[in-house]
Amino acid sequence: EPEVTQTPSHQVTQMGQEVILRCVPISNHLYFYWYRQILGQKVEFLVSFYNNEISEKSEIFDDQFSVERPDGSNFTLKIRSTKLEDSAMYFCASSASRYGNTEAFFGQGTRLTVV
Amino acid sequence: LAKTTQPISMDSYEGQEVNITCSHNNIATNDYITWYQQFPSQGPRFIIQGYKTKVTNEVASLFIPADRKSSTLSLPRVSLSDTAVYYCLVGDIKGKLIFGQGTELSVKP
Repeated sequence: EPEVTQTPSHQVTQMGQEVILRCVPISNHLYFYWYRQILGQKVEFLVSFYNNEISEKSEIFDDQFSVERPDGSNFTLKIRSTKLEDSAMYFCASSASRYGNTEAFFGQGTRLTVV
Repeated sequence: LAKTTQPISMDSYEGQEVNITCSHNNIATNDYITWYQQFPSQGPRFIIQGYKTKVTNEVASLFIPADRKSSTLSLPRVSLSDTAVYYCLVGDIKGKLIFGQGTELSVKP
């Protein structure tokens, strides 16, 4: 079964540092997403990406965050000047289309710990 | 996107059928109903999706009444490995999925 791959599985960083979370979506998918889940809380939408640009973003996705598809396979989330409250699981997802009759495939996540 | 309401938690025993109902009173005409499963420290996993009536796959069944204001996820003969959080999502994706609090299902031996 095809899968979304995320690296690293766990990242520890110091407050104020920049981190880049990496994702390899399923190869024939066109829509890409980042979500985050703070420990014990629900999964929160951050951003969706299609055709090399952001389609939608939540209020969480402020200037501290950016996304990029640097090549034909990777999809990255950059968090500048990390804060303690950025500690969470970050999930990448991809789907073949963005309409409601399709499924999104999620990666296993990157656990980000900001100290 | 339609707001969903589902029980916060449910308990069951191995071998039983589990039904989790989700209310979505303001579902729109174009909205689909999708259920995801999430294990601790893992990403959500698609279970099933439907628009109306009944949908069945190898994992679960989804029952949707004619008014579509609710839906029921049915898991036949659950096992310990079905212990997870189950999310009901409603809406035309349009670039995002909105997760609620989900239902924490605990399956006991």
